[in-house]
Amino acid sequence: GAVVSQHPSWVICKSGTSVKIECRSLDFQATTMFWYRQFPKQSLMLMATSNEGSKATYEQGVEKDKFLINHASLTLSTLTVTSAHPEDSSFYICSAGGRTDTQYFGPGTRLTVL
Amino acid sequence: AQSVTQLDSQVPVFEEAPVELRCNYSSSVSVYLFWYVQYPNQGLQLLLKYLSGSTLVKGINGFEAEFNKSQTSFHLRKPSVHISDTAEYFCAVTPYSSASKIIFGSGTRLSIRP
Repeated sequence: GAVVSQHPSWVICKSGTSVKIECRSLDFQATTMFWYRQFPKQSLMLMATSNEGSKATYEQGVEKDKFLINHASLTLSTLTVTSAHPEDSSFYICSAGGRTDTQYFGPGTRLTVL
Repeated sequence: AQSVTQLDSQVPVFEEAPVELRCNYSSSVSVYLFWYVQYPNQGLQLLLKYLSGSTLVKGINGFEAEFNKSQTSFHLRKPSVHISDTAEYFCAVTPYSSASKIIFGSGTRLSIRP
């Protein structure tokens, strides 16, 4: 089946620094990638949708300047959390969709901001 | 717009007992339906999906779900659970289009007691 990887799996950073999370579709071309945020014991909340070669579409309430998304190729999307603060600590999950209806999820990245 | 309701936030069952996790959805358009499983500190794994055809869908790990259009439900069942089934289960829908965004339910935590 389709495989989506995320790197890193866990990152700890100091408040005020920026963190980049990579999402890769390993064996298929993903025309669209999605970024979700999951707080402890809660469901996934869609943050943004990115299409290769165009600007991401952010959900209401998500700060575009804080969560920078780049989808430079059909196999790679990145999420950069700029000037991270403790309240940004969360589990970030990406998913990738190809030409079918199914999305494939990455294993997630746990971000802890001190 | 679409919404997904998982009525049970937690379901405790004894090992080898049957289980049913309930899911109801609301949508003004036709949707695909999914069940995902999330093990601790991991991303989501697709259990099964309903696209069309037979309303009884069989997935991995012995799970199955039945689509009931009149009741707008997609309940997940397993005749005999194992300790390894302990996880969070998410019901989700996506409108009929390629790689559309997924709307998740709030999740049901399944805990198996020996």
